[in-house]
Amino acid sequence: DAKTTQPPSMDCAEGRAANLPCNHSTISGNEYVYWYRQIHSQGPQYIIHGLKNNETNEMASLIITEDRKSSTLILPHATLRDTAVYYCIVRVGNAGNMLTFGGGTRLMVKP
Amino acid sequence: GAVVSQHPSRVICKSGTSVKIECRSLDFQATTMFWYRQFPKQSLMLMATSNEGSKATYEQGVEKDKFLINHASLTLSTLTVTSAHPEDSSFYICSASRREGLNEQFFGPGTRLTVL
Repeated sequence: DAKTTQPPSMDCAEGRAANLPCNHSTISGNEYVYWYRQIHSQGPQYIIHGLKNNETNEMASLIITEDRKSSTLILPHATLRDTAVYYCIVRVGNAGNMLTFGGGTRLMVKP
Repeated sequence: GAVVSQHPSRVICKSGTSVKIECRSLDFQATTMFWYRQFPKQSLMLMATSNEGSKATYEQGVEKDKFLINHASLTLSTLTVTSAHPEDSSFYICSASRREGLNEQFFGPGTRLTVL
């Protein structure tokens, strides 16, 4: 699986959009970009995933650059409950494949 | 849908005892389950991959005789930490992938193991 690079930490004001970047310059053509988050002392929670098109669901939007070497997770209106570590992971989409977690970005949403 | 449970959520045991942790997919069949370990302020580290009805595949550096994994059905996998020592104290998390359809993994809430 391709390696990802994320900033170790970010702050965001409550109610504002949180934009979390991820670099994955060695991504292969059959690898998806997945985002998970982990709130303190809980299991990771799936947020969104995409291959090359931008994706949106009720939690977030995923913007993938045209060359697929980077992506941005957008939380449109961050709340205090969005404070968590956010992990960007790239992997082949087969359900049997493991997820390799990097360091992630610790997002702190402040009032 | 796609709920994964773990039991117990928290366990404290004495050094030398064995502890069993259960991971269940409540509303779907999981062909593959994964076990992760997370130490404080660190990321999740994959320990092993478990497929129903077959032996688990362990990551390098994980002792298979110490961390026994059984995946007896499509909804249950167990991790047994044998002869636990204080250095085994950690947050153990399982995840499961559906048999078909969507390919994201669903994670359990984790089990906090403390070995005294």
